[in-house]
Amino acid sequence: DQQVKQNSPSLSVQEGRISILNCDYTNSMFDYFLWYKKYPAEGPTFLISISSIKDKNEDGRFTVFLNKSAKHLSLHIVPSQPGDSAVYFCAASYSGAGSYQLTFGKGTKLSVIP
Amino acid sequence: DVKVTQSSRYLVKRTGEKVFLECVQDMDHENMFWYRQDPGLGLRLIYFSYDVKMKEKGDIPEGYSVSREKKERFSLILESASTNQTSMYLCASSSVRLGGGYTFGSGTRLTVV
Repeated sequence: DQQVKQNSPSLSVQEGRISILNCDYTNSMFDYFLWYKKYPAEGPTFLISISSIKDKNEDGRFTVFLNKSAKHLSLHIVPSQPGDSAVYFCAASYSGAGSYQLTFGKGTKLSVIP
Repeated sequence: DVKVTQSSRYLVKRTGEKVFLECVQDMDHENMFWYRQDPGLGLRLIYFSYDVKMKEKGDIPEGYSVSREKKERFSLILESASTNQTSMYLCASSSVRLGGGYTFGSGTRLTVV
């Protein structure tokens, strides 16, 4: 059973516009969420995270929104740039004792068109 | 700059060979992970380790084994490589005391012919 779902395998956006990547989760124990970005032939790199005590976290052009009641989070990129073209993975974990494992979604491939 | 280093970026091996993928981290992280990434399937966890000499099976451990003799090194072993093990292999490490987010290596693209 997939606990973290990214239902859009791909997304195309014009340069300068907003990119919105979505992620849903089913495990209500999750309290920490992260987004990773991956270029081809490279490992994923950490982009931004949010704790369940917040509903928004911002870092430059990147903002993550968390809706706990809907078990939904989204990553907004404004404005989108061609260098943002990559696969984006949503991940979740919970801070229970001994917990150390992230659960990943399958990824969304973002293409930013110049 | 903190790092997770995977020994090879590209590997080509023959069916039936025993393959070793090495991963070293310099952050004193207690947790280490091996994933494989395939198109449409995302990141799938093969094995992980939360301490030296400790290992746990992930979602797809069949055909693989691991070794963690030292805290900084986590090795993935393909006992007898098969063509369906052609994939991108990613190593990661994390520390709960530092928030639990992963640091990934650059990946190893393994082709089994």
